[in-house]
Amino acid sequence: AQKITQTQPGMFVQEKEAVTLDCTYDTSDQSYGLFWYKQPSSGEMIFLIYQGSYDEQNATEGRYSLNFQKARKSANLVISASQLGDSAMYFCAMRDDQTGANNLFFGTGTRLTVIP
Amino acid sequence: DAGVTQSPTHLIKTRGQHVTLRCSPISGHKSVSWYQQVLGQGPQFIFQYYEKEERGRGNFPDRFSARQFPNYSSELNVNALLLGDSALYLCASSLIGGTQETQYFGPGTRLLVL
Repeated sequence: AQKITQTQPGMFVQEKEAVTLDCTYDTSDQSYGLFWYKQPSSGEMIFLIYQGSYDEQNATEGRYSLNFQKARKSANLVISASQLGDSAMYFCAMRDDQTGANNLFFGTGTRLTVIP
Repeated sequence: DAGVTQSPTHLIKTRGQHVTLRCSPISGHKSVSWYQQVLGQGPQFIFQYYEKEERGRGNFPDRFSARQFPNYSSELNVNALLLGDSALYLCASSLIGGTQETQYFGPGTRLLVL
């Protein structure tokens, strides 16, 4: 069974500093996808970044990068130059490419607070 | 272009009632998925629909059902509501629901069962 673990319930970061949000996953499948979503207090899940299990390069999207370490089964999100608007819940999710259904398994999330 | 839209935004029901939640996908997207997010947890997969057919179902009781219409919009129905059904219900859309696609979420419907 697929499992996503986010061990940091809350994180604080100074504005303009970088922060790393941890995510580990467990799967016996070879083909899978890893995602990070941001959820502001409004509730909407905002897609940030994606990493496929066969991708050799770490994914980057603007200030977001995914530190993918396949052997360790970790997919940490790095946010550079934090902004006040980055304060939100962040969820790591995994898609199992074997089921045929495009369903995501989510972790419990990390609440990031950016301090001015 | 408009994103995924959901209605209503908030809903209050009492135990035993039923509820219908609605979702319109991003224009051009043909697959819709539903997730339940209980307070303090990550979203949990309920259903995926593509071309009006159920493609996947999560570990939810038969009180939960859904359908997709020819215009690709979708409804989630929950019968015999329980207090534990109180949650944020999220709808997500993707192009064809393929396993390589990213899902884009709507703002959700907050359901409170009293």
